[in-house]
Amino acid sequence: DIVMTQSPDSLAVSLGERATINCKSSQSVLYSSNNKNYLAWYQQKPGQPPKVLIYWASTRQSGVPDRFSGSGSGTDFTLTISSLQAADVAVYYCQQYYTTPLTFGQGTKLEIK
Amino acid sequence: QVQLVESGGGVVQPGRSLRLSCAASGFTFSSSGIHWVRQAPGKGLEWVALISYDGHNKYYADSVKGRFTISRDNSKSTLYLQMNSLRPEDTAVYYCAKDGYGDLGWFDPWGQGTLVTVSS
Repeated sequence: DIVMTQSPDSLAVSLGERATINCKSSQSVLYSSNNKNYLAWYQQKPGQPPKVLIYWASTRQSGVPDRFSGSGSGTDFTLTISSLQAADVAVYYCQQYYTTPLTFGQGTKLEIK
Repeated sequence: QVQLVESGGGVVQPGRSLRLSCAASGFTFSSSGIHWVRQAPGKGLEWVALISYDGHNKYYADSVKGRFTISRDNSKSTLYLQMNSLRPEDTAVYYCAKDGYGDLGWFDPWGQGTLVTVSS
């Protein structure tokens, strides 16, 4: 199984500041045949189901604010929120869809400092 | 718009069975793979199972293999999860989610979830 490890487990950032969440996979999720990274990011607010923010490691889902961006390749990935808003308080998960079983990181709880 | 609505959750004793349903609307159900994903109370997300658009291919997490069965009825735009030999560690909110890519991708969108509690 591909193990996804996020860091940090929790993060407190001031409003308007940058937030960075890291995700590392135990093996590469880059498919050489199409040069795509099979990695997605989700946001989950309390009492709600998760919502996809980013797929293919860096493609923003329609309707997601452009302060959210994804980067990285192979085994190391980053979700960046360029200017933190109060509405961004949530738990964030990365997920690989390179192979089954599909696996998630353990989650990163993002709070306001 | 795309909508997924789960039902069938509840309290069940260990060793018993339960069947969850997921009613889909707003997209061509028969063209998309669909997943079950669960979340234990206060915990992270765990993928449970995937069924391909035509129902021919099914994939399971090791934790449920042999106990859970995923199926679909494309004529009713409905997904199912038959859960047998339930254990306390199966207690979770169960979400159905449309595959965002086709048959093996990200999850988008998700239903609101249905809570399954396994307890004596």
